[in-house]
Amino acid sequence: KNEVEQSPQNLTAQEGEFITINCSYSVGISALHWLQQHPGGGIVSLFMLSSGKKKHGRLIATINIQEKHSSLHITASHPRDSAVYICAVGSYQLTFGKGTKLSVIP
Amino acid sequence: EPEVTQTPSHQVTQMGQEVILRCVPISNHLYFYWYRQILGQKVEFLVSFYNNEISEKSEIFDDQFSVERPDGSNFTLKIRSTKLEDSAMYFCASPDYRTYNEQFFGPGTRLTVL
Repeated sequence: KNEVEQSPQNLTAQEGEFITINCSYSVGISALHWLQQHPGGGIVSLFMLSSGKKKHGRLIATINIQEKHSSLHITASHPRDSAVYICAVGSYQLTFGKGTKLSVIP
Repeated sequence: EPEVTQTPSHQVTQMGQEVILRCVPISNHLYFYWYRQILGQKVEFLVSFYNNEISEKSEIFDDQFSVERPDGSNFTLKIRSTKLEDSAMYFCASPDYRTYNEQFFGPGTRLTVL
């Protein structure tokens, strides 16, 4: 069974700061997902990665398969980025981390 | 853009009552999942459904739970006799194999058992 650990659990940043959220997992995987959960509860897929790096706007996700580690970066953070960011692993059914609660203060 | 929909958005029920949570997945997706998230905890897998039958289920998915695809479009999760600990957010989701299994989640149903 894969264990997914995220750090930090909570993160407060000033608007404009560069943010990094980390995820590690215990068993080799075929895919890793970064998800965003809004305060209302809805979950949105941000990235799916199996290797390397992906970029979408101000968001960058990287994965190191050998080290079983992934990072999500947010450049020039904005208050609207405030949400819970969840790492999940799996190709079909997912195993989730506990999430990182990000608050960006103006 | 196609989306997964779920109804109701919020369901309040008395302990021991049956509830049915409904999902309309994206029409050309093949796999469907139910997940739940107890308040303040991580999202957990409940059950996967493929080709009109359960393909995998977690230890949470006991005899009180069942899933169906009654009419080829709706995908339902039934809890026969709700318990207080069933209070949670329930998400329906499906991967899109054409985009390498990007997951599409419904907005969730918040179930409150009193």
